[in-house]
Amino acid sequence: DAKTTQPNSMESNEEEPVHLPCNHSTISGTDYIHWYRQLPSQGPEYVIHGLTSNVNNRMASLAIAEDRKSSTLILHRATLRDAAVYYCILPSYNTDKLIFGTGTRLQVFP
Amino acid sequence: GAGVSQSPSNKVTEKGKDVELRCDPISGHTALYWYRQSLGQGLEFLIYFQGNSAPDKSGLPSDRFSAERTGGSVSTLTIQRTQQEDSAVYLCASSLISPGGTGELFFGEGSRLTVL
Repeated sequence: DAKTTQPNSMESNEEEPVHLPCNHSTISGTDYIHWYRQLPSQGPEYVIHGLTSNVNNRMASLAIAEDRKSSTLILHRATLRDAAVYYCILPSYNTDKLIFGTGTRLQVFP
Repeated sequence: GAGVSQSPSNKVTEKGKDVELRCDPISGHTALYWYRQSLGQGLEFLIYFQGNSAPDKSGLPSDRFSAERTGGSVSTLTIQRTQQEDSAVYLCASSLISPGGTGELFFGEGSRLTVL
């Protein structure tokens, strides 16, 4: 799997936008970019995924750089419930092996 | 239920005993994953099934760990002669299609194993 690099932690205030970066400079042309998050004491949950174009869903937006070597998960208005560890993952199309790194721990303050 | 079901939710065992952890994936999901998460750590990949076969067992930490899946559905992760370092939350996830493309993983709540 292509390697991803994320900051260990980030902080935000409630109601503010949050931009969570992910570097994946060794991404291949067929690698999708997936984001998951893990709330405290729960299993991870899917957030969003994309290939080349920016993506939006009810949870977040995913902005993908033109060269695809980086991406940013955008939470438009952080809530206390968004406090979690966010994982950026590039599953290998050939092996289906999903490797979770250490992710970014997001703290949201009231 | 509609989600991935794991049992037991909590297991306390003595060092040297064998344990079995069960995962019941979402009906129809062909891909099934096992992960391990130690306290305060990230997810460690253990094994992946596509149907009943396991094309990737590279994450199993030692030969004390084994897993099987029968009927393309329920999977069992077995840990023999448990050690204290096996203490962790064991998470199972399933996916309808290959997650290497657009498949979404659905995780269970996990089985917390404590080895005394």
